[in-house]
Amino acid sequence: DAGVIQSPRHEVTEMGQEVTLRCKPISGHNSLFWYRQTMMRGLELLIYFNNNVPIDDSGMPEDRFSAKMPNASFSTLKIQPSEPRDSAVYFCASSPRPGLQFFGPGTRLTVL
Amino acid sequence: SQELEQSPQSLIVQEGKNLTINCTSSKTLYGLYWYKQKYGEGLIFLMMLQKGGEEKSHEKITAKLDEKKQQSSLHITASQPSHAGIYLCGAAPGSQGNLIFGKGTKLSVKP
Repeated sequence: DAGVIQSPRHEVTEMGQEVTLRCKPISGHNSLFWYRQTMMRGLELLIYFNNNVPIDDSGMPEDRFSAKMPNASFSTLKIQPSEPRDSAVYFCASSPRPGLQFFGPGTRLTVL
Repeated sequence: SQELEQSPQSLIVQEGKNLTINCTSSKTLYGLYWYKQKYGEGLIFLMMLQKGGEEKSHEKITAKLDEKKQQSSLHITASQPSHAGIYLCGAAPGSQGNLIFGKGTKLSVKP
């Protein structure tokens, strides 16, 4: 298995632009998580899905952030409009059972 | 809400030395997970502790869970440059499977 796949690996955009981050979880894993990591705040859970259904999105910073999981093999995290303070590394992780998570390589987002 | 505090925040050790990283929870621990992150990469699962007093080892890394103290420790024996990275502890705040993480301990090993 290729592991969790994220794209793009790096994204540089200007303030106000729409950003879409993509994730392909490991086949057979029924949970998917989106995290954001910064030096100041560490690793923060944004939202997670069980069987493609959003369970908890209380970590989503504000309405500019949205996430979807249309099927078991694909998820997106969208930021519209993006702001400089959104600059961070965004990780997607999938899980076959509680606690055991497999992380993707992350997307490094820079908003100018 | 539950919080995990890790200490120290960073650590520099000479190759071959032993070291310990601690993780303390603000609430009762029902399970504790250790992950490692190398710069520019995602987290890699190391081990899971579920019972008070449980101790697990993988190669030269040993983790223990003290439920009464709401604390876990990660001990590395005879550190090597390959041990360098950021170690994060995680805990499940509920039964849904999501984790909260500490801010991590950055370990550097000098050859």
